[in-house]
Amino acid sequence: DVKVTQSSRYLVKRTGEKVFLECVQDMDHENMFWYRQDPGLGLRLIYFSYDVKMKEKGDIPEGYSVSREKKERFSLILESASTNQTSMYLCASSPIPEGANQPQHFGDGTRLSIL
Amino acid sequence: KNEVEQSPQNLTAQEGEFITINCSYSVGISALHWLQQHPGGGIVSLFMLSSGKKKHGRLIATINIQEKHSSLHITASHPRDSAVYICAVRWTPDKLIFGTGTRLQVFP
Repeated sequence: DVKVTQSSRYLVKRTGEKVFLECVQDMDHENMFWYRQDPGLGLRLIYFSYDVKMKEKGDIPEGYSVSREKKERFSLILESASTNQTSMYLCASSPIPEGANQPQHFGDGTRLSIL
Repeated sequence: KNEVEQSPQNLTAQEGEFITINCSYSVGISALHWLQQHPGGGIVSLFMLSSGKKKHGRLIATINIQEKHSSLHITASHPRDSAVYICAVRWTPDKLIFGTGTRLQVFP
C-alpha cells in the first residue's frame, strides 16, 4: 500500500515563527501536493511538485514556500506564521502519468494552530 | 460560484438505509474522484471514474459526463460509513478541484 506520512498530526506555533511541515511518501511518486482544508471551503491547493527541485504554485501560495530536495520528501514552509494560517494541512502524492487510473494518495493531515 | 457543488452538505441516516450523495460540476474534466475523510483527517480515495459506473462492496459511483453530474451511493449503510465524502474533478493533468464535502452520520 502507498504510504504518505506527515510528520505531525497536531502542531501549535506562535505568530511570526517559521514553520516546517514535512511529508514523505514511499512509492517513488513523481507528483506531490500540499493542500489546506478549511470549513466550508474544501481542499485548496497551495503548491505542487512534479519532480525534484521543481515546484508550481497552486491556488493559494501566498505566505507559503516549498522544498523538494529528494523525490520522497516534500516540505511546506510558513515563512512567518500568521493566525489566518491556522488550518488542516494535507499532503498527497501520485505517479506520472496523471490519468483516469492514477488517484492521489493522501496523508493523515496536520492540524496546525497559530496563536 | 463553486465549480464543484455537492449536495446535501449534511446527511443523517439510520443504519440500513440507502444513501445518495450528489456532485455537479461546471468545468470540462478528464476524471472525477470520490474521497472519504474520517474524523481526524485521513483521506482515502474511493473511486476514480471517467465514465459509467463503478462498484466496490456497498459503494457505487456513477457519472454522466454530458450532464456533468456524479452520484455516490451507499447500500445498507452502517455507522462505520460515517465520514465526510468529497467529490473532486480533474480539471488539468496536475490539478484537482474539490467540492466542500458531504458530512454523513449513520446512526444505529
